[in-house]
Amino acid sequence: SQQGEEDPQALSIQEGENATMNCSYKTSINNLQWYRQNSGRGLVHLILIRSNEREKHSGRLRVTLDTSKKSSSLLITASRAADTASYFCATEGTGANNLFFGTGTRLTVIP
Amino acid sequence: DARVTQTPRDKVTEMGQEVTMRCQPILGHNTVFWYRQTMMQGLELLAYFRNRAPLDDSGMPKDRFSAEMPDATLATLKIQPSEPRDSAVYFCASGLGGTNEKLFFGSGTQLSVL
Repeated sequence: SQQGEEDPQALSIQEGENATMNCSYKTSINNLQWYRQNSGRGLVHLILIRSNEREKHSGRLRVTLDTSKKSSSLLITASRAADTASYFCATEGTGANNLFFGTGTRLTVIP
Repeated sequence: DARVTQTPRDKVTEMGQEVTMRCQPILGHNTVFWYRQTMMQGLELLAYFRNRAPLDDSGMPKDRFSAEMPDATLATLKIQPSEPRDSAVYFCASGLGGTNEKLFFGSGTQLSVL
């Protein structure tokens, strides 16, 4: 399977704390993307990091990529209750433009 | 706001019936993806189109599933005959195409096959 795996499967934190989610994948990639899914809705793109990049920021989001370890992490700083959602990593393999999603991390931010 | 539109939002049907799900990609997007989401399997890629041509449908059970793009504004996913194991949320997503594209997802079709 080309699916990535995310860790942890579920994460519960207090509002204001930081949340870190990890993603591991198996194949060579062009890029890795993170998406968010609120319950019962479609996924929303958050951030894309190219294979030649090591770190990227967008607002309260920080993404790192280690292609030697085939892993990525998503850090959400100063979490809010509204950040409660499932977060998925997705990889675009080299030689193909298909996008394969990981298993997701369910984040709960407690007010 | 431009968005991907999927219909129907919910579908309940009996085993053996034909199911057709529709997707209107964002105007100007030339790639369309179909995904299926279940608790057990997560998000599975079923089919992928570029410029209306199917590029990859290896994730789709060929005996009962079919995906088409009759024109640039409509993508369809059909299941015939449907089975209870097809119960899932089916998502359509579209993008501009090319490397490093991000996808825009529809709200999904919740399918229940009884």
